Amino acid sequence: DAGVIQSPRHEVTEMGQEVTLRCKPISGHDYLFWYRQTMMRGLELLIYFNNNVPIDDSGMPEDRFSAKMPNASFSTLKIQPSEPRDSAVYFCASSLGLGGAQGYGYTFGSGTRLTVV
Amino acid sequence: KNQVEQSPQSLIILEGKNCTLQCNYTVSPFSNLRWYKQDTGRGPVSLTIMTFSENTKSNGRYTATLDADTKQSSLHITASQLSDSASYICVVTLYGNNRLAFGKGNQVVVIP
Repeated sequence: DAGVIQSPRHEVTEMGQEVTLRCKPISGHDYLFWYRQTMMRGLELLIYFNNNVPIDDSGMPEDRFSAKMPNASFSTLKIQPSEPRDSAVYFCASSLGLGGAQGYGYTFGSGTRLTVV
Repeated sequence: KNQVEQSPQSLIILEGKNCTLQCNYTVSPFSNLRWYKQDTGRGPVSLTIMTFSENTKSNGRYTATLDADTKQSSLHITASQLSDSASYICVVTLYGNNRLAFGKGNQVVVIP
C-alpha cells in the first residue's frame, strides 16, 4: 500500500481564492481525519469521518472550511475564501478503528503546505 | 492550558549521545499514550504506544516510559543518529470519546 496520499504537496494562493486539498486514505481504513499543524498550536483535529460519514466537525474553525468524503477512497478539504491566517500544513490521516485501548494506529499523509498571501 | 506539555521545546545533541524527552499530561482517564516521530516535511509516524497499565515500551533505540500516577511519560533515544533529527510528539487518547490530545512536540537536532 502506498500509504495515505495527499495532494498537492504545496499550495500558494492569494487571499480570497478557493483552495481544495485532497486525500486518498489507506484502502480498508474506515476512519479519516483532517488535521492542521502550525508552529503556535501544533496539531489540531479539524474533522473526522467514519465510513464516509462526518462524525465530529467541531474543530473546523469557521464556515469557510468544509470537508467531504464522497466515497471510501477520497476526501477533500475546501477553504473558501482563503485568508492568510489559514496558512499551515494540513494533514490527512486514516485508521482502522478509532484510537483506544486496542491501539489502532493512525497513518498520516505527508501533508499539504498551504500559504495564503 | 494545553492538556499535553512537552519539554524541552528543542535540543541539540551530538551524534552517539543519549537524550530524554519529557511529556506531562493532565488528560484523565486515558486509553493510551503514543509517541510519534515527525521528520521535516513528512507526517507523524508512530514510534510507541502504551496503555495506562504499561510503564515501558521499546522500539529499537527508542524507549518510552509511562508513570500514570504522576501523569508523566518520557522518550529516551539511545546512541543518537543523524536520522533521529525530527520532532517527537506525545499524543494521549482520551478514554471514552477517543479524542486525541497532542503535545506541540520536542524538536531534536542531532549534529555530527
